[in-house]
Amino acid sequence: GAVVSQHPSRVICKSGTSVKIECRSLDFQATTMFWYRQFPKKSLMLMATSNEGSKATYEQGVEKDKFLINHASLTLSTLTVTSAHPEDSSFYICSARDSGLAGADTQYFGPGTRLTVL
Amino acid sequence: LAKTTQPISMDSYEGQEVNITCSHNNIATNDYITWYQQFPSQGPRFIIQGYKTKVTNEVASLFIPADRKSSTLSLPRVSLSDTAVYYCLVVYTGRRALTFGSGTRLQVQP
Repeated sequence: GAVVSQHPSRVICKSGTSVKIECRSLDFQATTMFWYRQFPKKSLMLMATSNEGSKATYEQGVEKDKFLINHASLTLSTLTVTSAHPEDSSFYICSARDSGLAGADTQYFGPGTRLTVL
Repeated sequence: LAKTTQPISMDSYEGQEVNITCSHNNIATNDYITWYQQFPSQGPRFIIQGYKTKVTNEVASLFIPADRKSSTLSLPRVSLSDTAVYYCLVVYTGRRALTFGSGTRLQVQP
């Protein structure tokens, strides 16, 4: 149980285009999902918290108009990188908290999406 | 938020027990300690979580002393496939978001 999927796993796009990444919780419902970014040899950095049915909460320094987040259902959150530039090239990872569990928050991570902007 | 400190890297050999210690001096009453494993180009994988004393599952054991200011992840008889980065996190139930430190890069040699 507690499987989170991401699609696509890898994407290469031209500078100026937009890219959408999907994050799905396959066997549980997640009212809250999180989006992280990870650069090579670095740790994960939280970008935003995605709340089902409401606006996402962005971390300081993350442009909300550039990284559009939609959490339309309890099993799906999407991250759209708008007008992508080479500096947006990174490994994007989502996580989801199993809303059905009590106690401490155990988050389950997706496999990640490698974005390369040419 | 409780900050965690763990060694940047560790080396081991196949079949050995590996203990990775994490310090979290500012841990609060409602915080839990959680460990994740991450392989290159993959998302982190949940290993174990605990609040106090000892927790054991099929993968690892987690030792937490009474003052909870540190914790030790114990991996029994590691294999080459255990080569990964291990993250220690203090999870505050109220905030929900996770703050990742630098992690410990474990290299297992044959």
